[in-house]
Amino acid sequence: GAVVSQHPSWVICKSGTSVKIECRSLDFQATTMFWYRQFPKQSLMLMATSNEGSKATYEQGVEKDKFLINHASLTLSTLTVTSAHPEDSSFYICSARDARGQSNEKLFFGSGTQLSVL
Amino acid sequence: GENVEQHPSTLSVQEGDSAVIKCTYSDSASNYFPWYKQELGKGPQLIIDIRSNVGEKKDQRIAVTLNKTAKHFSLHITETQPEDSAVYFCAASRGTGFQKLVFGTGTRLLVSP
Repeated sequence: GAVVSQHPSWVICKSGTSVKIECRSLDFQATTMFWYRQFPKQSLMLMATSNEGSKATYEQGVEKDKFLINHASLTLSTLTVTSAHPEDSSFYICSARDARGQSNEKLFFGSGTQLSVL
Repeated sequence: GENVEQHPSTLSVQEGDSAVIKCTYSDSASNYFPWYKQELGKGPQLIIDIRSNVGEKKDQRIAVTLNKTAKHFSLHITETQPEDSAVYFCAASRGTGFQKLVFGTGTRLLVSP
């Protein structure tokens, strides 16, 4: 399957600082990437859909100014958690679809980023 | 919008037994149903998927069945092994392009030696 690389795998930051998470598709081009958030022992909740070259689409209840998404190329999307607070502590996971081929509904996930805000 | 329910939330089996996880979906327009395995501290890994024009798909010890009429699909794992222990998520979407994937609530599978 396709490989999605996500960095960093974990980050600890002070309250009020900003944190950037990168998501790269290594062996395919991804016109669409998705960002999920997962709390312990819970399911994945979609935060936003990242479209290459255009503004991201945010799910209801997700603050776009809080979670900045940039999808500047076909292989890279970034999520920046601005002015992070302890309640933003969570496991963030990106995913991407291969834009080519007939099986372009397959979604491949990165390894996730555990964010802890002190 | 789509709503996916998943049962059971936890499942404990002995090594060698079979495990079955069931999901139901609400959107009759959904046509793509993947299953993911998530190990602790890692991202979900696609293990098998099925499209709505197929009723069953098998890959070695893993199989998925789909009943479009009843709007439910199931994951079957045979000859379970301890390394199968993980959280399994079902999901549904309308398929290609920008269509988002809606996940079930997850099943924690524990396979005891």
